[in-house]
Amino acid sequence: DAMVIQNPRYQVTQFGKPVTLSCSQTLNHNVMYWYQQKSSQAPKLLFHYYDKDFNNEADTPDNFQSRRPNTSFCFLDIRSPGLGDAAMYLCATSREPLAGNTDTQYFGPGTRLTVL
Amino acid sequence: RKEVEQDPGPFNVPEGATVAFNCTYSNSASQSFFWYRQDCRKEPKLLMSVYSSGNEDGRFTAQLNRASQYISLLIRDSKLSDSATYLCVVNTGFQKLVFGTGTRLLVSP
Repeated sequence: DAMVIQNPRYQVTQFGKPVTLSCSQTLNHNVMYWYQQKSSQAPKLLFHYYDKDFNNEADTPDNFQSRRPNTSFCFLDIRSPGLGDAAMYLCATSREPLAGNTDTQYFGPGTRLTVL
Repeated sequence: RKEVEQDPGPFNVPEGATVAFNCTYSNSASQSFFWYRQDCRKEPKLLMSVYSSGNEDGRFTAQLNRASQYISLLIRDSKLSDSATYLCVVNTGFQKLVFGTGTRLLVSP
């Protein structure tokens, strides 16, 4: 089945130790998004790629970077994780940039990051 | 003011009850609207899109009032499996979705 896959599902890292989260998709969608969701909060968009074009949200800390080597894969790199970066990280895709009620996003299962 | 606001709840209802959630959005230029469902520690999943004319999918009815910048979701004949957090989501026209913090629903036997 076509889907959005995230690995690992659970990641534990140490304070300050770089970590990379992975997302892959078999939907052949042009747009891939990374969200951060903390407990009882709304998902917060960090950045997205439209094809190879990277779009960073204004309030995303420099500590968060992303790479998209090809259509199928997108990575989230956290260069120096702090305790406040512990959260669920959600990857999502959409076929095209969103326009209209027929366009929406498909989410992966998320990676839950713990920072010790 | 938040871009998308929802009552966080929780809404505690018995099985079979009818429950309604409301959501307001601040950007009058917003283009499209959705309700997502999120189970505990899982990813959000699209429940339904919301159209100006209103739309219904089984026990679920969504309404949009553009003049009041207001969206609603009505669930009839609640089931235990409806227990989840319901996220109001708005496409503000900048090619991204803005999520509300969600309304938590607990359906009890």
